Amino acid sequence: AQSVTQLGSHVSVSEGALVLLRCNYSSSVPPYLFWYVQYPNQGLQLLLKYTSAATLVKGINGFEAEFKKSETSFHLTKPSAHMSDAAEYFCAVSESDTGNQFYFGTGTSLTVIP
Amino acid sequence: EPEVTQTPSHQVTQMGQEVILRCVPISNHLYFYWYRQILGQKVEFLVSFYNNEISEKSEIFDDQFSVERPDGSNFTLKIRSTKLEDSAMYFCASTGGGRETQYFGPGTRLLVL
Repeated sequence: AQSVTQLGSHVSVSEGALVLLRCNYSSSVPPYLFWYVQYPNQGLQLLLKYTSAATLVKGINGFEAEFKKSETSFHLTKPSAHMSDAAEYFCAVSESDTGNQFYFGTGTSLTVIP
Repeated sequence: EPEVTQTPSHQVTQMGQEVILRCVPISNHLYFYWYRQILGQKVEFLVSFYNNEISEKSEIFDDQFSVERPDGSNFTLKIRSTKLEDSAMYFCASTGGGRETQYFGPGTRLLVL
């Protein structure tokens, strides 16, 4: 079975500082991993995904994530936070062989301090 | 860019009433999903649908829930007799043949009074 753990339900960073949002997964088969962002009162927007190609994945808005199998992690980073990055971020995992349901983490709320 | 759309954006209903949430998936997608997000909690899988039948469902998706693809474009979620605890944001998602990435709609916020 799949599961996702996001450490830190709330993260605050200063504008211009490094953003690091943590995601660890559990999967019995090779996983597909995703980061979605949710702005207030909006739906889920795909930031980036890992589907067994390059382990360092670049996404939209300057975000990237690195798949580390040995650590079962898929942490999301951005070198320099922008005020517009303030949102809820969700990590999700699905099974690569069935590609069916997604399992989401509990989310991390990112606050950017001016 | 094609996107998943959902209607209505908000719905308020009385406990015990039936509600139908509507979704229009991306046109060439084959797999359709419903998820829900109770306020302050994580997004939870409800059901997946392929080839006009349910392919997988969670424990949440009990007999009060049903899904249908009534025509070539719509995908609906029906809750027969709503309960207070059904209050949540409901997201529809769809994916193509590769089933790698699920594209989510903007959600329907359901409030049961």
